[in-house]
Amino acid sequence: QSALTQPASVSGSPGQSITISCTGTSSDVGGYNSVSWYQHHPGKAHKLLIYEVDNRPSGVSNRFSGSKSGNTASLTISGLQAEDEADYYCSSYTSTSPVIFGGGTKLTVL
Amino acid sequence: EVQLVESGGDLVQPGGSLRLSCAASGFTYGKYWMHWVRQAPGKGLVWVARINPDGSSTTYADSVKGRFTISRDNAKNTLYLQMNSLRAEDTAVYYCTRNILSGEGFWGQGTLVTVSS
Repeated sequence: QSALTQPASVSGSPGQSITISCTGTSSDVGGYNSVSWYQHHPGKAHKLLIYEVDNRPSGVSNRFSGSKSGNTASLTISGLQAEDEADYYCSSYTSTSPVIFGGGTKLTVL
Repeated sequence: EVQLVESGGDLVQPGGSLRLSCAASGFTYGKYWMHWVRQAPGKGLVWVARINPDGSSTTYADSVKGRFTISRDNAKNTLYLQMNSLRAEDTAVYYCTRNILSGEGFWGQGTLVTVSS
């Protein structure tokens, strides 16, 4: 099964908003409300930002929000900050495997 | 504080074996599904295997089925991944994770496995 499709890179200036897309199929993203987003700074553990499409764990800034339309999920980061520069991964439940991941998106804060 | 600390990564020859460990602390380990996920150099994340809370049920990715075995010792709060018949394409950072798709998702920092002669 192919990975979920994410843009390889996105960029934005401090204070701006950016959106990262995660496109799958009706067998994964489109078929279940089980999409999570993780942030990864190199050398650190992946951090959960969003689960079940649009839920934020306690302690995660409300600058991070999630949504889904059809087979595409999205992560929006508002009020971009320098520390948001990281790699971002989406993940979803699938009908054929417990979990499938996106290829990752590198966010650059200009 | 929740912690997952992987160990056991090493350089191993093709056809060799390696056992990874993941020490869990800061939470009730025996209540959670646990997974191994890997990331090859320059590639994306790939799910490898999962185990249910009491260790009675396991699932594997097709790419490792028959070669890798996931197990756990709830008395020691430790997750394992026994890797046999290793191939060059198994070279990756291996991550121990808890409940990837839930609100309690948590990852370790990973351990590097290099398969090369």
